[in-house]
Amino acid sequence: AQSVTQLGSHVSVSEGALVLLRCNYSSSVPPYLFWYVQYPNQGLQLLLKYTSAATLVKGINGFEAEFKKSETSFHLTKPSAHMSDAAEYFCAVSDRETSGSRLTFGEGTQLTVNP
Amino acid sequence: DTAVSQTPKYLVTQMGNDKSIKCEQNLGHDTMYWYKQDSKKFLKIMFSYNNKELIINETVPNRFSPKSPDKAHLNLHINSLELGDSAVYFCASSQGYNSPLHFGNGTRLTVT
Repeated sequence: AQSVTQLGSHVSVSEGALVLLRCNYSSSVPPYLFWYVQYPNQGLQLLLKYTSAATLVKGINGFEAEFKKSETSFHLTKPSAHMSDAAEYFCAVSDRETSGSRLTFGEGTQLTVNP
Repeated sequence: DTAVSQTPKYLVTQMGNDKSIKCEQNLGHDTMYWYKQDSKKFLKIMFSYNNKELIINETVPNRFSPKSPDKAHLNLHINSLELGDSAVYFCASSQGYNSPLHFGNGTRLTVT
């Protein structure tokens, strides 16, 4: 069974600072990995996904994530935080061999951006 | 032109009542889902339908019954509501397996 651990339920950065949100996964087969963002009172939006092509994945809004098999990690980064990046971020893993997109989500990281 | 829409957005009801949440997607996707987000924002899949066929049925009480009249709709009916059912319920859709999910904006259910 696959699982996801997001280190840090709350991350606070200053506007313009580097954003680093950590995600480690566990999967018995090569995984698909996703990052989603949730703004208040909204559903989740896909930021980026890893599906075994390039290990460095670029997403929307300037975010990117690097798949590191040796570390079983898929950390999300952004060079310079904007106030509008304040939201809840979820890492998710999908087992390629199960039928249906059975996404297993991490517990989420609340990102706060300080002026 | 909302991609995945669910109604109602808010639902407040008393214990023991029966309620339904409706979901529609206009993306032409084959697969639809119901996810539950609890008060700690933890998301867990409840059901998944592919072309109106149930393919994922997680361990949820049988008071929860999904219904898919066609591949663009997936409704969730809940019988005998309990306090613990209070949560945000998200509908989602995807095109095929292991494709990114497109989420609705959620239905916040409060059981009093």
